[in-house]
Amino acid sequence: EAQVTQNPRYLITVTGKKLTVTCSQNMNHEYMSWYRQDPGLGLRQIYYSMNVEVTDKGDVPEGYKVSRKEKRNFPLILESPSPNQTSLYFCASSFKTRYNEQFFGPGTRLTVL
Amino acid sequence: AQSVTQPDIHITVSEGASLELRCNYSYGATPYLFWYVQSPGQGLQLLLKYFSGDTLVQGIKGFEAEFKRSQSSFNLRKPSVHWSDAAEYFCAVDENYGQNFVFGPGTRLSVLP
Repeated sequence: EAQVTQNPRYLITVTGKKLTVTCSQNMNHEYMSWYRQDPGLGLRQIYYSMNVEVTDKGDVPEGYKVSRKEKRNFPLILESPSPNQTSLYFCASSFKTRYNEQFFGPGTRLTVL
Repeated sequence: AQSVTQPDIHITVSEGASLELRCNYSYGATPYLFWYVQSPGQGLQLLLKYFSGDTLVQGIKGFEAEFKRSQSSFNLRKPSVHWSDAAEYFCAVDENYGQNFVFGPGTRLSVLP
């Protein structure tokens, strides 16, 4: 089944404790992206990757890191989480053209205390 | 930078009634426009997309949307709403191959029996 998977689905952590949210897709997509969703703000792009070893900042990259060592994986790293990073996070992937829809993962609910 | 507005935060309709969700964008060139739906606790699913050609586009689940360049709008419509349509709906614009994929704040749809 073609899908984007994220782990964990739910995470409660404390300020400053490094964490990684994994994202994996099995559709051979070149493009992957991370979004955060907050009430009243919709989804905002954090980082995106056009291909392996190619990443760039989105609208709200502060406090986040990413890496793209393999085509299928695009982990999101929070080196020192803070409470304002409490949010719902989505990973998405697509083929690298504007004609193709982005496929979204199920989301990761993160709470930083 | 482009922006996407969805003027209605929350809409309630009765089952069987018609629906129109509004979306306005600010973007200089020909936009690539999308509507996504997010059911409770789920990721996002593409309803339809517009790139060029016929300004009335058909999507899944009986939805359609009309692109009106003069009004910078891309409103989503459905002639008869079903209870299962209750969800949050997001309009989005792709500026540059996903490098600036912008979502609106979303419209939450409630359906009365």
